[in-house]
Amino acid sequence: EVQLVESGGDLVQPGGSLRLSCAASGVTFHNYAMLWVRRAPGKGLEWVSSINGGGDSTYYADSVKGRFTISRDNSRSTLYLRMNSLRAEDTAIYHCAKSDCDSIGCKLIAFWGRGTLVTVSS
Amino acid sequence: DIQMTQSPSTLSAPVGDRVTITCRASQSINNWLAWYQQKPGEAPKLLIQKASTLESGVPSRFSGSGSGTQFTLTISSLQPDDIATYHCQHYNNYPIMFGQGTRLEIK
Repeated sequence: EVQLVESGGDLVQPGGSLRLSCAASGVTFHNYAMLWVRRAPGKGLEWVSSINGGGDSTYYADSVKGRFTISRDNSRSTLYLRMNSLRAEDTAIYHCAKSDCDSIGCKLIAFWGRGTLVTVSS
Repeated sequence: DIQMTQSPSTLSAPVGDRVTITCRASQSINNWLAWYQQKPGEAPKLLIQKASTLESGVPSRFSGSGSGTQFTLTISSLQPDDIATYHCQHYNNYPIMFGQGTRLEIK
């Protein structure tokens, strides 16, 4: 059974940093591109970033480009999201998600984690 | 960027009713359209991909249709277990975009 478990969400001040983690199990992790998707309070889902199975190709939404960094450790079956220069508008539940294939072009989300809450407030 | 417009934002219908949710893309997405169901406090779940392909295990009362820029999700007979928010998503290219979501309630 596939499981994606996010952690690292917290209350952080504007301008602060945070690193989210997503532990995957029940899946051959390096075979799949992975994504982060967030949902702000009262809003719809927003794609944040994607990374291919090998970890050497990434894409970012314009809203986070230059501030967030996606990475993965295939030996630990873990996905990361480093978030710097956080803003109030980054407040959201952050979901880790698995695509259906391994290249950066794999953009269908086949499976989601429950998410971790990030709150940016002073 | 391809924008996705989903409607309605909220839908209330009695059990047994046929319900339809619409998603419109700002340009053609070559049927690279997915529908997700998200129940309160849970992770979203993939229901339909490629506009009309039902995922394994999804009840047959769910169906997807459309092409080009206009797509619909239909529930043929609404059940209490269908209470959720439904999201459309295009995966034609980057940036991936979602619709605003439709909250489905039982009347």
